[in-house]
Amino acid sequence: AQSVTQLGSHVSVSEGALVLLRCNYSSSVPPYLFWYVQYPNQGLQLLLKYTSAATLVKGINDFEAEFKKSETSFHLTKPSAHMSDAAEYFCAVSIFRNQGGKLIFGQGTELSVKP
Amino acid sequence: DTGVSQNPRHKITKRGQNVTFRCDPISEHNRLYWYRQTLGQGPEFLTYFQNEAQLEKSRLLSDRFSAERPKGSFSTLEIQRTEQGDSAMYLCASNLDVEETQYFGPGTRLLVL
Repeated sequence: AQSVTQLGSHVSVSEGALVLLRCNYSSSVPPYLFWYVQYPNQGLQLLLKYTSAATLVKGINDFEAEFKKSETSFHLTKPSAHMSDAAEYFCAVSIFRNQGGKLIFGQGTELSVKP
Repeated sequence: DTGVSQNPRHKITKRGQNVTFRCDPISEHNRLYWYRQTLGQGPEFLTYFQNEAQLEKSRLLSDRFSAERPKGSFSTLEIQRTEQGDSAMYLCASNLDVEETQYFGPGTRLLVL
């Protein structure tokens, strides 16, 4: 079975500081991995995804994530936080070719950005 | 491309009442998914359709829940005899069966009093 663990339910950074949101996954087969962002009272928007190509994945708004198989991790980073980055971030895993591609989500990390 | 739409956006109901939500996927998408998100948690998979066929249902989908996608386009999710524990955001997503990315709608927030 697949699972996702996000370390830290709340992360607070200062504007301009590095953002690091942690995600570890468990999967018995090579997974597809995703980071989604959710603003208040809205649906989820895809930030980036890993689909077994390059291990360093670049997404929208200068976010990137690195797939590390040995550490079963897919941490999300951004060099310089903006106020507009304040939101809830979800890491998710799927076994695309099986199980209909359903997503298994972590519990989320709320990012706060201080001026 | 108008994106995935969901109606209503908000629903308040009394315990024991029935509610129905609608999801309109992106027009050419043949897969449609329903997820439930409770406060402070990540979304949890409920069910998915490929065209009009419901191919998988989560154990979370009790017999009070039913989902349909009659013509392979829009989908409805009905909850019968609502309970306070059904209060949550219900999210719909869609995609083509050849792609891994799911596109989410804005959700329907249900409050059961």
